[in-house]
Amino acid sequence: NAGVTQTPKFQVLKTGQSMTLQCAQDMNHEYMSWYRQDPGMGLRLIHYSVGAGITDQGEVPNGYNVSRSTTEDFPLRLLSAAPSQTSVYFCASNNRVNEQYFGPGTRLTVT
Amino acid sequence: GQQVMQIPQYQHVQEGEDFTTYCNSSTTLSNIQWYKQRPGGHPVFLIQLVKSGEVKKQKRLTFQFGEAKKNSSLHITATQTTDVGTYFCAGRLTTDSWGKLQFGAGTQVVVTP
Repeated sequence: NAGVTQTPKFQVLKTGQSMTLQCAQDMNHEYMSWYRQDPGMGLRLIHYSVGAGITDQGEVPNGYNVSRSTTEDFPLRLLSAAPSQTSVYFCASNNRVNEQYFGPGTRLTVT
Repeated sequence: GQQVMQIPQYQHVQEGEDFTTYCNSSTTLSNIQWYKQRPGGHPVFLIQLVKSGEVKKQKRLTFQFGEAKKNSSLHITATQTTDVGTYFCAGRLTTDSWGKLQFGAGTQVVVTP
């Protein structure tokens, strides 16, 4: 199993540009989530999904959209990038006993 | 605001010493999890505690969940350089749906040989 994969690893955007961060898992986990990590603030939940077709907002959802058309994929879309969205983004999925597996992360810089 | 607080934010430890990091919640938690993140890496699941007063050990690491299920601690004995990293606690509030976790800000551990 590849586990949780994320692409790209690094990305530089200009203010106002849009892009999609990809996330996929091959463990057949129903629950998936997106976090952003900023220095001194831990991991903050952006959006999460309890299964295909179902998504919900986390703590910091503004400026981000998600969709979950399949169990495997959970892409995160930045609608109009802003410098405040410069961060490291982690995708994660949970197994049946709620252990959370993280992807390697995407380091995003918005100039 | 952040409902799960961790202290200390930084911990400098001499190799061979013990240290403890603490996690406190303002509300009752269904469970608490601990993760380790190495510099430049991603968080890796360490353990989950579910029962009030639960204590679990993993080699030199001892995890505790408070009786009121509002706090937790991670104690590392005989610290090694491989213990370097940031340790996060993450709790599920009783009011939150399954799978949704509130992360603390983490304790960054630096080990001096």
